[in-house]
Amino acid sequence: AQTVTQSQPEMSVQEAETVTLSCTYDTSENNYYLFWYKQPPSRQMILVIRQEAYKQQNATENRFSVNFQKAAKSFSLKISDSQLGDTAMYFCAFMKSRSGGSNYKLTFGKGTLLTVNP
Amino acid sequence: EAQVTQNPRYLITVTGKKLTVTCSQNMNHEYMSWYRQDPGLGLRQIYYSMNVEVTDKGDVPEGYKVSRKEKRNFPLILESPSPNQTSLYFCASSLRSGGAPSQYFGPGTRLTVL
Repeated sequence: AQTVTQSQPEMSVQEAETVTLSCTYDTSENNYYLFWYKQPPSRQMILVIRQEAYKQQNATENRFSVNFQKAAKSFSLKISDSQLGDTAMYFCAFMKSRSGGSNYKLTFGKGTLLTVNP
Repeated sequence: EAQVTQNPRYLITVTGKKLTVTCSQNMNHEYMSWYRQDPGLGLRQIYYSMNVEVTDKGDVPEGYKVSRKEKRNFPLILESPSPNQTSLYFCASSLRSGGAPSQYFGPGTRLTVL
């Protein structure tokens, strides 16, 4: 079974600064996908970024980027130029690679509550 | 607008009173799933469905039922709710394609069982 660990229950950052959220995972799979989801106070789950394990290049989406270290099973999220709207709970998630019919289950970490201070 | 809807958004009920949380998507997705979110535990999968009439248990299925009679709908049924089912529930859907299709989440249903 896969496990996802987020070791930072809470973090804070000043507006316009950069912050990195940590995530490690454990799996025996070779092909898989990793995700970061954001959950603002509205509770909506919003996909921030995804990474395919077979890709060496780190994914980037505007101010959000990841540092994917496959050998170390590490998948951190970097938020640059933090904005007040980035205040949210952030979840790291893992999914096995599947084709055809099978469960597309996301295995989530426990989350990191990020507060961006003005 | 492509979306997953859930109803109700908030529900307070009493132990043993049967309830249904509806989930509907307008994206013609084959795959649908239910998660519950509890503080300090993240999200855990309850049930999933690969297509109409095809459902299976997730990690925490006890106390829940589901059905998939239509492609767009995937209701979650609590036949005899108990206080330990007080939680935030999310429905999610995606296509069945590729290695890991992006999943769309509903807005969540906050359930309190007294």
